[in-house]
Amino acid sequence: SQTIHQWPATLVQPVGSPLSLECTVEGTSNPNLYWYRQAAGRGLQLLFYSVGIGQISSEVPQNLSASRPQDRQFILSSKKLLLSDSGFYLCAWSRALRDQYFGPGTRLLVL
Amino acid sequence: DQQVKQNSPSLSVQEGRISILNCDYTNSMFDYFLWYKKYPAEGPTFLISISSIKDKNEDGRFTVFLNKSAKHLSLHIVPSQPGDSAVYFCAASARNTDKLIFGTGTRLQVFP
Repeated sequence: SQTIHQWPATLVQPVGSPLSLECTVEGTSNPNLYWYRQAAGRGLQLLFYSVGIGQISSEVPQNLSASRPQDRQFILSSKKLLLSDSGFYLCAWSRALRDQYFGPGTRLLVL
Repeated sequence: DQQVKQNSPSLSVQEGRISILNCDYTNSMFDYFLWYKKYPAEGPTFLISISSIKDKNEDGRFTVFLNKSAKHLSLHIVPSQPGDSAVYFCAASARNTDKLIFGTGTRLQVFP
């Protein structure tokens, strides 16, 4: 069966520091991968999606970037965090069907 | 522009009764709809989906109804259980895209 991992689970970072969140999927090949953010009291906002290695589409202008160095690895990064980057970050995958399956999430607090 | 709307931020239902969560959409290109359940500090869990070629899909206690003319879908949970207490998100997808557009969620509380 397929599983999706995210780490770290929780992160507290100072403003201006770099960020790297990692997502990996097991049990499938060539998945579509997605990064979402859920701000407090808000819905899920799609940040990036990828249909293959090195292929990244950005949905909204922002302070973040994404990379897909391997088929089942998706990384969310920032060079300098802003206060507004705080939120709950979710990675998801899909394969063939349009159902997406989410990881456990990373709670980021920027102080 | 919010293409998928969940106008009720919260809903409270007694255990054993029916919970009805509503979702409206504006984009007529949407042809696939999903419901997710989310507990605090966890990722959303896929519950049930429906294609626009159907108007109803049922899975155990969960049934999703789709009214294309009204651009409205609903999730029925019957009977409701305390473990159903969570935030429920509806999502929609247009043909030829894998991207999902999510609503803002409805917090369901099932009390004894």
